[in-house]
Formats: sequence, structure tokens, C-alpha cells
Amino acid sequence: GAVVSQHPSRVICKSGTSVKIECRSLDFQATTMFWYRQFPKQSLMLMATSNEGSKATYEQGVEKDKFLINHASLTLSTLTVTSAHPEDSSFYICSATGVGGYTFGSGTRLTVV
Amino acid sequence: EDKVVQSPLSLVVHEGDTVTLNCSYEVTNFRSLLWYKQEKKAPTFLFMLTSSGIEKKSGRLSSILDKKELFSILNITATQTGDSAVYLCAVGRRGGADGLTFGKGTHLIIQP
Repeated sequence: GAVVSQHPSRVICKSGTSVKIECRSLDFQATTMFWYRQFPKQSLMLMATSNEGSKATYEQGVEKDKFLINHASLTLSTLTVTSAHPEDSSFYICSATGVGGYTFGSGTRLTVV
Repeated sequence: EDKVVQSPLSLVVHEGDTVTLNCSYEVTNFRSLLWYKQEKKAPTFLFMLTSSGIEKKSGRLSSILDKKELFSILNITATQTGDSAVYLCAVGRRGGADGLTFGKGTHLIIQP
């Protein structure tokens, strides 16, 4: 079945630094990947749609200059949280659409201290 | 604005009980409704429903969609403690280029 690999699974960073999260489709090509954020005890909220070879589409209220998305190949999308602040601490999950529908990565728990 | 509403938000039952989880939605250009189980990490896929009235089953879990009433239910029979999790309902739109809209989830606790 379709597998999406996400790294790192957990990261702690200092306020003001940047963090990059990678999302890879391992056995299929994904022209579109999605990035979600989940705060504690809340549901997943779509942040942006990552399109291979073109600019990402951001949901309302998500700062594109803060959450940089790059989708340079059909198997890799990256999300960079720039100038991270404690309020950016959250669970970030990527997803890709393949033959079996929507497949999720294992998520990245970001803690900004 | 697309909306997915799940109920109840939390539920505590005893092992062996049967539970029904509800999901209602309002979405433009509906394509599919999906159910996921989330324990500690990312959601794991349970069902995808696109047609009304066709029940999907997987072991003790089953789900059905009513596109007229914009509603879906997820049933779990003979519950076990391993069924304890957050169950998420999500809706996808036509085209497949859009991400999913999730409900807040139902936090299910199965007591021994």
C-alpha cells in the first residue's frame, strides 16, 4: 500500500530558529501533498496544499512567509517553520493522495522553547 | 464554509458494548467521507464512503453514508480496550486536489 514517510517525528527548537519537516511518498508519486496542524485535543486543520513544481496554496489565516513549503519533486515536500515561536508548538502531519486515497505521514511533534 | 460535525465529542463505555459514532457535514462539491482512527500519532484509515446506503465493514467496524441527510455513522460492535482512540470523520471534495476537512473527533474510551 501507499506509504508516506515524515521526518523528524519529534523536534525541540529554540524560539526564533527555523525547523524543516520532510514528507516523502515512498512507493508512489504525489503531485499534491497536504500539510495539517493539530493542536492538543483539537482536530486536524489543513494549513496548505503543496503542488509539485508550483507554489503552495495556503488556507485562510496561515502565513505563507512563516510556513514555507517546497515541493521540488514528485516524492518530496518540505515544510519549514521560520522564526518559530512557542505558539507554533503543535503536531504537524502531511498527507498525500495516491491510489488508495489519502495517506498520512506519522507526524512531527514540534516544541518551541 | 465547509463544516464537519461529530457527535458525541467523548464517550465512555464498557468492553463488549456497541457504540455508534455520528458525523454530519456540509460541503460543496462533496466527493467522499472518510473515517480515521487516531491513537497517539497520525490517523490510520478506516473507511472511505462515496455512495449512499452501501455499508462498508471491516471486522467489528462498519460504516454507512446517507448523502440525502448529509450524515454518516461508524459502528463498533463488541468493543475492546484497544478500540480506545479518537475517531475522526473527514470530507473530501471533488477533484482530489483539495485537502480534507476534519471534524473535531469523538474521543472513545473503552473500560475493561
